[in-house]
Amino acid sequence: DIQMTQSPSSLSASVGDRVTITCRASQSISSYLNWYQQKPGKAPKLLIYGASTLQSGVPSRFSGSGSGTDFTLTISSLQPEDFATYYCQQSYRVFGGGTKLEIK
Amino acid sequence: EVQLVQSGAEVKKPGDSLKISCKGSGYSFTTYWIGWVRQMPGKGLEWMGIIFPADSDTRYSPSFQGHVTMSADKSFSTAYLQLNSLKASDTAIYYCARRFGEMLSYYFDSWGQGTLVTVSS
Repeated sequence: DIQMTQSPSSLSASVGDRVTITCRASQSISSYLNWYQQKPGKAPKLLIYGASTLQSGVPSRFSGSGSGTDFTLTISSLQPEDFATYYCQQSYRVFGGGTKLEIK
Repeated sequence: EVQLVQSGAEVKKPGDSLKISCKGSGYSFTTYWIGWVRQMPGKGLEWMGIIFPADSDTRYSPSFQGHVTMSADKSFSTAYLQLNSLKASDTAIYYCARRFGEMLSYYFDSWGQGTLVTVSS
């Protein structure tokens, strides 16, 4: 089975910061990589699919890149509502362990 | 508007069985696979499997194969997740989600609100 590893597992940052989260697959998954945001007590929300395609309605400060085994999610300028946990996912299957983004 | 509405929170005893429902609306329910995702308290997301409501074809994660049963009733636009012989370790939030996409690029674009299952004696 493919394993998905996210880093870091937690991250402290300030409003306005540029933040990058990394996801690594145990074998090549082409561009079949999705990113979700989850806030406490809420269902996950799709941010990016196909490694780099922004889901409709998602702010442009979110971006994704990568292919093969290494992927990144970047938030260009953190807003207060962005503090949440982020998960990568291989296609519709395995999730990464999550990255909790907290306010510094 | 696409909506997935799940059944309410449940409190069960060890050894009990449980069936969670997920009703879809706002789209053709038989056209898209429905996935199930577990989230244990304070933990991450775990993919459990998916079901195609049109013919009930299912694909289970190896981690959950044999421990859960997915089913669907297309007449009611509803998917189900059955958990048998519940243990305390089954305590979790269970989400359903619609699988969208094409050409191998699939993702969960709409999610249910989650069903909290608590197993306690």
